[in-house]
Amino acid sequence: EAGVTQSPTHLIKTRGQQATLRCSPISGHTSVYWYQQALGLGLQFLLWYDEGEERNRGNFPPRFSGRQFPNYSSELNVNALELEDSALYLCASSIPGLAGSYEQYFGPGTRLTVT
Amino acid sequence: AQSVSQHNHHVILSEAASLELGCNYSYGGTVNLFWYVQYPGQHLQLLLKYFSGDPLVKGIKGFEAEFIKSKFSFNLRKPSVQWSDTAEYFCAVNDNAGNMLTFGGGTRLMVKP
Repeated sequence: EAGVTQSPTHLIKTRGQQATLRCSPISGHTSVYWYQQALGLGLQFLLWYDEGEERNRGNFPPRFSGRQFPNYSSELNVNALELEDSALYLCASSIPGLAGSYEQYFGPGTRLTVT
Repeated sequence: AQSVSQHNHHVILSEAASLELGCNYSYGGTVNLFWYVQYPGQHLQLLLKYFSGDPLVKGIKGFEAEFIKSKFSFNLRKPSVQWSDTAEYFCAVNDNAGNMLTFGGGTRLMVKP
């Protein structure tokens, strides 16, 4: 079974540009989560999509947005990039399990560098 | 809001030493608890999880964790570490509504051969 895949592996942008990151969940998984792993800030929740709808978002400005497509893949867009957006962006997928168990499986991440 | 605290940021052990990494969480409702591991150059992998039932859970590679509800803790243990256990370990919690994971700050473990 293929795991969560993300593209690109690395992305270099300049301040003010836009970045688009992509994620394909494990086959059969309907939920996609995005997390930011920035140096010194740990892993922080960004966005949660399920069945094409945004279910929750973390404490990030509106220039962080995304969507989930009918095939459950997802896209994270970051507009007006700032230097502090440099981080590893992780995507995870899950499927509702028994008794509300939501085990999340992570992809390898996209390393975004803003110069 | 949920929060997770990992008390040790860096731990250095010799091979065959015993390991215990602390994790405490703050949340009033029913939680699911997880430990993830990130080996150097690799992505986050699930080590073990607790949803309900026996509070002592066993995971992969000889790791186990004990959920102590009264202490809001979910400490990770391994009786005898190996050099290959060198990695960063993250404790995480979420609720029963499929919501996001809240992670602790992580513990970097270095095992000396």
